[in-house]
Amino acid sequence: EVHLVESGGGLVQPGGSLRLSCAASGFTFDNYAMNWVRQAPGKGLEWVSGISLSGGTTYYADSLKGRFTISRDNSKNTLFLHMNNLSAEDTAVYYCAKAASSGSGSPLNSWGQGTRVTVSS
Amino acid sequence: DIQMTQSPSTLSASVGDRVTITCRASESISTWLAWYQQEPGKAPNLLIYKASTLETGVPSRFSGSGSGTEFTLTISSLQPDDFATYYCQYYRRPWTFGQGTKVEIK
Repeated sequence: EVHLVESGGGLVQPGGSLRLSCAASGFTFDNYAMNWVRQAPGKGLEWVSGISLSGGTTYYADSLKGRFTISRDNSKNTLFLHMNNLSAEDTAVYYCAKAASSGSGSPLNSWGQGTRVTVSS
Repeated sequence: DIQMTQSPSTLSASVGDRVTITCRASESISTWLAWYQQEPGKAPNLLIYKASTLETGVPSRFSGSGSGTEFTLTISSLQPDDFATYYCQYYRRPWTFGQGTKVEIK
């Protein structure tokens, strides 16, 4: 069974940084693209970032303006999201999500439970 | 960028009702469309991909149709577990979600 467990969320001041992690198990991690999706309080889903099998190709939502960096450590079955210069607009639950296949054009068929990030002074 | 627009935003229905949700793309996306269900406080769950293919384990009362710019999600007979929010998603770059449709109890 696929398990995705996010961690690293919490309260951070505006302008601060945070690193989210997603520990994966139950599948061959380096056979699948991975993504981060966020959901602000009371709002809908927003795709944040995606990464290819090897980590060599990354994708980001235009709205992030280069502040976030996605990466993966296939030796440790872990996905990361480094977030810099955070603002209140980044307050959200961040979900780690597994692509259904190795390709970039793939739906998200497994999700973690999410980790909450709150940006506030 | 491609925009995805769902309608309605909220839908009131009763158990046993047939429910249809529409998702429109700002330009043709072929059948690169998925539908997700999200219950309050939980992560989303994939229901349908490639516009009409049911994900393994999803009840057959859910169905999807459409191609190009217009798509629909239909629940043939609404069950208590189906009161949730539903999202469509274009799953190629930039992986855009619709704004969601909340199905609530009438």
